[in-house]
Amino acid sequence: EPEVTQTPSHQVTQMGQEVILRCVPISNHLYFYWYRQILGQKVEFLVSFYNNEISEKSEIFDDQFSVERPDGSNFTLKIRSTKLEDSAMYFCASGRDSNTSGNTIYFGEGSWLTVV
Amino acid sequence: GQQVMQIPQYQHVQEGEDFTTYCNSSTTLSNIQWYKQRPGGHPVFLIQLVKSGEVKKQKRLTFQFGEAKKNSSLHITATQTTDVGTYFCAGWGKSSGDKLTFGTGTRLAVRP
Repeated sequence: EPEVTQTPSHQVTQMGQEVILRCVPISNHLYFYWYRQILGQKVEFLVSFYNNEISEKSEIFDDQFSVERPDGSNFTLKIRSTKLEDSAMYFCASGRDSNTSGNTIYFGEGSWLTVV
Repeated sequence: GQQVMQIPQYQHVQEGEDFTTYCNSSTTLSNIQWYKQRPGGHPVFLIQLVKSGEVKKQKRLTFQFGEAKKNSSLHITATQTTDVGTYFCAGWGKSSGDKLTFGTGTRLAVRP
């Protein structure tokens, strides 16, 4: 069964450093997402991406964050100048159809980011 | 913005007892999805409901979408220890664009 894969599974970084989280979505999917989950809390939407551009983003997704799809397969989330409060599990997800078609999205296993 | 709340936040049941979690959205949803997240795991898609009043079953799990498409419920009959985890509803709002908003989640613990 096809799945979304994420790397790294766990990264520890110093405050102020830049981090890149990588995702390989399911191959025939066109819609891509990043979510995050602070330990013990709910899953929060960060950004959605379609047709090589951001289609929607949350208030969390400020100038510190960026996404890109550099080579048609990887989908990356870059976090610049990390802060302690960026420590969370970051989930990538992908979907085949649009929201209006009742898109089901599938999640990767997550990248656990610890900022020290 | 759209908010999706779930109750209860946490429930501890004896194995064999039933369990229900309720999901309420502040806005009308185009459809709703349910996910299960095991401790330390990632959200795993369970089911999608699209039609007003729709009811779907998966073995011991029964999912319902409200008539007004603003609420939903998940009922588990005769819980087992394998049901342990957090259950999230998540909704595509009619006006929320390309954003699936997750509920606050209900954590289920099952005593063997």
